[in-house]
Amino acid sequence: GAVVSQHPSWVICKSGTSVKIECRSLDFQATTMFWYRQFPKQSLMLMATSNEGSKATYEQGVEKDKFLINHASLTLSTLTVTSAHPEDSSFYICSARSGLTPEENEQFFGPGTRLTVL
Amino acid sequence: AQKITQTQPGMFVQEKEAVTLDCTYDTSDPSYGLFWYKQPSSGEMIFLIYQGSYDQQNATEGRYSLNFQKARKSANLVISASQLGDSAMYFCAMREIYSSASKIIFGSGTRLSIRP
Repeated sequence: GAVVSQHPSWVICKSGTSVKIECRSLDFQATTMFWYRQFPKQSLMLMATSNEGSKATYEQGVEKDKFLINHASLTLSTLTVTSAHPEDSSFYICSARSGLTPEENEQFFGPGTRLTVL
Repeated sequence: AQKITQTQPGMFVQEKEAVTLDCTYDTSDPSYGLFWYKQPSSGEMIFLIYQGSYDQQNATEGRYSLNFQKARKSANLVISASQLGDSAMYFCAMREIYSSASKIIFGSGTRLSIRP
């Protein structure tokens, strides 16, 4: 299957700083990318959906000014956690789909980024 | 709105036994896809099996099979001959094919532990 990478795999930062997480589709063009957050022992919760070249669509309750998403190219999406606080500590997982047709079922997941805010 | 429910937070199974993980879903969209993912302690999401809403036969992938009961809106995962390496979190997920976002949403998960 296709490969999705994330960088960094883990990051520790101080409260109040911003952190950028990159998600890349390595061998396919991702028209749609998704960002999920997973707290310990919980499920993946969708944060936002982004399509290349357009603004991200955020799920209800997700602050778009805090979680900035940029999908500037067909192979790269970034999530920036601005002014991070300890409650933002979580496992962030991106996912990508080529989406050439609605029936395109395969959606590939990155390995995740563990964010710890001190 | 789409919804996925997994009612088993945890399960213990003896090695080599078969195990069924429950999943029910709700959607008003006639076209949807159902997925099962495995998440070991490393955190990566491993795709196991997929079932389309119009598929006539239950999906199978090696030791994994999906018991699709469309009228009951259930999509249980069956793992045959369980192995120690099957110990992990298992998530049922769904995507509405033609919805505007067509996003995958996940159930709460089942932690499966295989006893030697």
